[in-house]
Parts: sequence; structure tokens; C-alpha cells
Amino acid sequence: GQNIDQPTEMTATEGAIVQINCTYQTSGFNGLFWYQQHAGEAPTFLSYNVLDGLEEKGRFSSFLSRSKGYSYLLLKELQMKDSASYLCAALRDPSGGSYIPTFGRGTSLIVHP
Amino acid sequence: DSGVTQTPKHLITATGQRVTLRCSPRSGDLSVYWYQQSLDQGLQFLIQYYNGEERAKGNILERFSAQQFPDLHSELNLSSLELGDSALYFCATSGGGTGELFFGEGSRLTVL
Repeated sequence: GQNIDQPTEMTATEGAIVQINCTYQTSGFNGLFWYQQHAGEAPTFLSYNVLDGLEEKGRFSSFLSRSKGYSYLLLKELQMKDSASYLCAALRDPSGGSYIPTFGRGTSLIVHP
Repeated sequence: DSGVTQTPKHLITATGQRVTLRCSPRSGDLSVYWYQQSLDQGLQFLIQYYNGEERAKGNILERFSAQQFPDLHSELNLSSLELGDSALYFCATSGGGTGELFFGEGSRLTVL
């Protein structure tokens, strides 16, 4: 089976740093995605980690530890527009040959002035 | 703009009815995924097609079916609709590689 956990909601202050954690238990694991989704809109891709370690992309960084089944998304210099839901998704290949992104329920981030 | 087109954007119908949602993938993408997003469940994987063939099935009800046509567009058919089927239905496509998904804007279904 598969289980992906992330906090339901987080709040932070404009200009600050926030870390959104995600833990997963899934068979056939092949990588970890982070997506951003504003209310009523489509999810958009932020990052992909397949190897252990930190991937940095501008204000956003993502970390993966495969042995611990753990990832986090780090957002620096928060802006009001970063208020959104952040979705963790484990890429899995349960039956061989087909990769399926399985999503957590998302973390709603509220950035306040 | 992800390049993935979904129609209709909004749909209101009654219980017991049948609807068809349509998805046109990005040019060259062979893989199409359908997801359902409701307030209490998050994004739930329904089904995946690759180059016209069904590749993987998730939590898709028997009342739901899908297909991918030779021109690679896909349709999701929802029948005998129930109130609980009200949700946002996303189509996403992938060109392979990392498996990054490109989502359409979604079809919001309301069943009254």
C-alpha cells in the first residue's frame, strides 16, 4: 500500500523561511515530487528528487532521504503569493513499467504580513 | 499555460445522469492521467493511459470509465452520478523522463 503524510496547515510571516515536511511509505518508490496549487487552480510542478540530498531552485529547495522515507520543501524569503497548497507526491511503480504519482492531501500554507 | 486542455471547465448536472470530460494532452505527450480532487480527499489517482492503452488503475469506481483515442486525446465518462461525485477532475499528461505531470485546468463537476 501507500501512505503519504504532510501537515494540513502551516502559517508563516512574509520574508521568513518555512519548511514543509512529508513522510511516505510506498512500494516501488522511484522519486518524490513537490507541486504548488493555488485555490481553484491546477497544480504546478516545483521540484523532483530521486536521489538523497538537497535540490535548490531559487527560493525553493527540496530534500529527500530515501532510507527514512522523508522529504521536505523549504521556502525562503516568503512572499504573499506563496500562500497556496503544497502537495507532496511519491512516484511509484507498483507493477512494473508504469510510474504513478501518488499525492498527499497537501499542506495549506498561509503567509501573513 | 501547461498546454493541457480540459473541457468543460464547469458542469452542473443531476444525480443519475452521465457526463463526459475531455482532455487534450500537450503535443507529443503519450501518457494521460486522470485525478479526482475533492475537499476531504486530496488528489486521488483514477486511471492512466499510454498511447491508447490502459496502463494503471487507481481508485476508479465501476461507474467511471475512460479511454484514449488514436489522436491521444482522452475522455473520462462518469455515469449514474451521485452527490459524492461532485469534485474537480484533473487530467495530466507526461512526456516520460522524470514523470513530471502537466495538469489541465480541471473540470469542476457539481451533482445536484
